[in-house]
Amino acid sequence: KAGVTQTPRYLIKTRGQQVTLSCSPISGHRSVSWYQQTPGQGLQFLFEYFSETQRNKGNFPGRFSGRQFSNSRSEMNVSTLELGDSALYLCASSLGLAAGDTQYFGPGTRLTVL
Amino acid sequence: AQSVSQHNHHVILSEAASLELGCNYSYGGTVNLFWYVQYPGQHLQLLLKYFSGDPLVKGIKGFEAEFIKSKFSFNLRKPSVQWSDTAEYFCAVITSKNQGGKLIFGQGTELSVKP
Repeated sequence: KAGVTQTPRYLIKTRGQQVTLSCSPISGHRSVSWYQQTPGQGLQFLFEYFSETQRNKGNFPGRFSGRQFSNSRSEMNVSTLELGDSALYLCASSLGLAAGDTQYFGPGTRLTVL
Repeated sequence: AQSVSQHNHHVILSEAASLELGCNYSYGGTVNLFWYVQYPGQHLQLLLKYFSGDPLVKGIKGFEAEFIKSKFSFNLRKPSVQWSDTAEYFCAVITSKNQGGKLIFGQGTELSVKP
């Protein structure tokens, strides 16, 4: 089975721009979660989508949004980029049927905001 | 607030030494516990997880962890580390309050193993 894929792998943007990141889950997985990883804050949960509905949300401002499509692929959007949004954005997929279902992580998208 | 605390930020060991990485969580209800590892240049992968039952959980590559409910702890152990275990290790929890796929991670422990 193919793993979780994320595109693009690297992005450079300037302050004020917006960006869209994409995540394709493992085939058959219905849950996609997004995380932000930074040296200072570590791994922080952004949101989770299950069957096209947002099921969980972290403590990030409304500039961070996401969606999930009927094929379980997910996108994450960040509007009005700030320097502090520079981070590695990870997505993880799981079956999503039980709280403890293993989440499988993708390689991440490295976003740099100048 | 629910949180996970990893006591050591950076651990340096020689090959064949024993390893124990501490992890404590703050939540009084039911939890599912995980240890993930991130090798240099690679993505996060699951080492082991605890759902219920036997509190001693065995994972891949000779790692194990013990869930001690009274101490809110889930420490990771390996009797003899190898140079290839050099990586960053993350403890994480999903609580019954959150359900779904909301992993709460600790800050991570960087392990360096000297050959």
